[in-house]
Amino acid sequence: NAGVMQNPRHLVRRRGQEARLRCSPMKGHSHVYWYRQLPEEGLKFMVYLQKENIIDESGMPKERFSAEFPKEGPSILRIQQVVRGDSAAYFCASSPGPGNQPQHFGDGTRLSIL
Amino acid sequence: GNSVTQMEGPVTLSEEAFLTINCTYTATGYPSLFWYVQYPGEGLQLLLKATKADDKGSNKGFEATYRKETTSFHLEKGSVQVSDSAVYFCALKQGGSEKLVFGKGTKLTVNP
Repeated sequence: NAGVMQNPRHLVRRRGQEARLRCSPMKGHSHVYWYRQLPEEGLKFMVYLQKENIIDESGMPKERFSAEFPKEGPSILRIQQVVRGDSAAYFCASSPGPGNQPQHFGDGTRLSIL
Repeated sequence: GNSVTQMEGPVTLSEEAFLTINCTYTATGYPSLFWYVQYPGEGLQLLLKATKADDKGSNKGFEATYRKETTSFHLEKGSVQVSDSAVYFCALKQGGSEKLVFGKGTKLTVNP
């Protein structure tokens, strides 16, 4: 039973380009969460999605960042016009539902901005 | 707002030593508490959890007890191994919210 799959594992972009990060949740999981980990920091919540719905985006920067979780296919975290400060590890987690269900994490995408 | 404070690392121990990593939290109500472990280059794995006061979470020789009176959830292991070398994160989840709030992490290195 495959875990949470993220790709790519490493992504390099130049300033001003777009970055697209993908996350396929565990089988049977319909809830997806995105977190960002800056160097030497803990993970910070960004957004919580269910299929076709954004439930909580209180951690998303107001500009340039967006997320979706379509009916078919993986969840996408999109960063437009990247800047150096976007360099971080981005982790996706999934769970079968809300409440006391644990969140299972992928191995992350490490984004580097040149 | 909700927050988690962990002891600063790095922590370096010899194999078979006793481990304690302190974690305290600030939250309204009664959050669920978690310890996650991150091995190099990997994502976070849930190590243990506790959902109410006085609960003890345990896994792989690690333990942590939910102490409401001291708002703490300290991680302990009686005898660490080299394979326990990793970064450990304490986290909470407030009732009614699905977001995990993490501490900054504590890096543990165990030497043979």
